[in-house]
Amino acid sequence: DTAVSQTPKYLVTQMGNDKSIKCEQNLGHDTMYWYKQDSKKFLKIMFSYNNKELIINETVPNRFSPKSPDKAHLNLHINSLELGDSAVYFCASSQDVGHHTGELFFGEGSRLTVL
Amino acid sequence: GDSVTQMEGPVTLSEEAFLTINCTYTATGYPSLFWYVQYPGEGLQLLLKATKADDKGSNKGFEATYRKETTSFHLEKGSVQVSDSAVYFCALSDRGSSASKIIFGSGTRLSIRP
Repeated sequence: DTAVSQTPKYLVTQMGNDKSIKCEQNLGHDTMYWYKQDSKKFLKIMFSYNNKELIINETVPNRFSPKSPDKAHLNLHINSLELGDSAVYFCASSQDVGHHTGELFFGEGSRLTVL
Repeated sequence: GDSVTQMEGPVTLSEEAFLTINCTYTATGYPSLFWYVQYPGEGLQLLLKATKADDKGSNKGFEATYRKETTSFHLEKGSVQVSDSAVYFCALSDRGSSASKIIFGSGTRLSIRP
């Protein structure tokens, strides 16, 4: 069983469209994250949720809206897509943000290409 | 703010060569330090970690020692294999924060020639 799974794996769309990426973890973790990896492999945190509550919200355009229906799911919705949104988006989870061991479990990534 | 700086890549070595990938950090608290590895087409995986000064993390022949005096956490391996070809990320986590997050370096691509 895949621990952290995200869909779709590949997404190609036109500028101005709205798209969503879904993420689910079956590890029983309390905290989930979205990271963006650009073409140079630089990895930057976007959001973090702990037990469905937003705890980290980096400087991200408000076109990006995360939603956590329960602690096993964290979805990412992007409105009005722009060329610069093209990247690989990684979902991750960890056991507990308070006693943070630092071990993140990553999904395989969702490659978004905006044309 | 906290940050991680690691050596620019790509690094290309022959099989069985000695590997060092440098990593230094800046942090106001007492961070835990990590190395993550990303194989082609996959997500990142934790390779090793160290949670306090002078701790040595090790896994799969890789080692890194938490050096507080030089704020460094260099990754080493005595004899690399083709299967070690990947992107390596140094990272830190500030355990003192109630909303701690992991901050990653820019990644170093390693290619091993047979």
